[in-house]
Amino acid sequence: EDKVVQSPLSLVVHEGDTVTLNCSYEVTNFRSLLWYKQEKKAPTFLFMLTSSGIEKKSGRLSSILDKKELFSILNITATQTGDSAVYLCAVEGAGNKLTFGGGTRVLVKP
Amino acid sequence: DTAVSQTPKYLVTQMGNDKSIKCEQNLGHDTMYWYKQDSKKFLKIMFSYNNKELIINETVPNRFSPKSPDKAHLNLHINSLELGDSAVYFCASSQDPLLGPGNQPQHFGDGTRLSIL
Repeated sequence: EDKVVQSPLSLVVHEGDTVTLNCSYEVTNFRSLLWYKQEKKAPTFLFMLTSSGIEKKSGRLSSILDKKELFSILNITATQTGDSAVYLCAVEGAGNKLTFGGGTRVLVKP
Repeated sequence: DTAVSQTPKYLVTQMGNDKSIKCEQNLGHDTMYWYKQDSKKFLKIMFSYNNKELIINETVPNRFSPKSPDKAHLNLHINSLELGDSAVYFCASSQDPLLGPGNQPQHFGDGTRLSIL
């Protein structure tokens, strides 16, 4: 069975800090790894990663995938209170089936 | 101009009742999904449909029956509701996964919070 584990479960930081979120996975027929941000409602798409070692960036967020060691990290630099959310990692297997991790809850204090 | 919309947003009902949740997407996607998010925030796939055909059917009780009248709609009907059905149900859509891996992120609706009394 496909499995995705995220760490830490939660963290509290102050504005301006940098956070690193971890995602490790076991999946048959790996197609891609995705990061989502969930505030109060719908998970919103952040990144999709398919190739090892290629960093994807969007503003203060960046992510990278290691397909050999089966993990990904999501970095947020210069955090702001608006970054407070649950960050979800998901792995796409056969048939576009997404298996989600339990999420990392990030709280950014002013 | 919401991309994936679900109705209702909230649903409070009693055990044993039958209820439906509707989902519509205007993104032109071929594939739609239903997920269940429990109190611990785990999102788990329930079903997926591609062009009205069932593709994924995880181990979900028979009381749950998805229906796709066309590729823009995927409704979820639940019979004989039980306490354990209380959760947030998310609908999502994406392009056809057969187009190739890594090109079609799933887009989610805002969820339907189902509470069983």
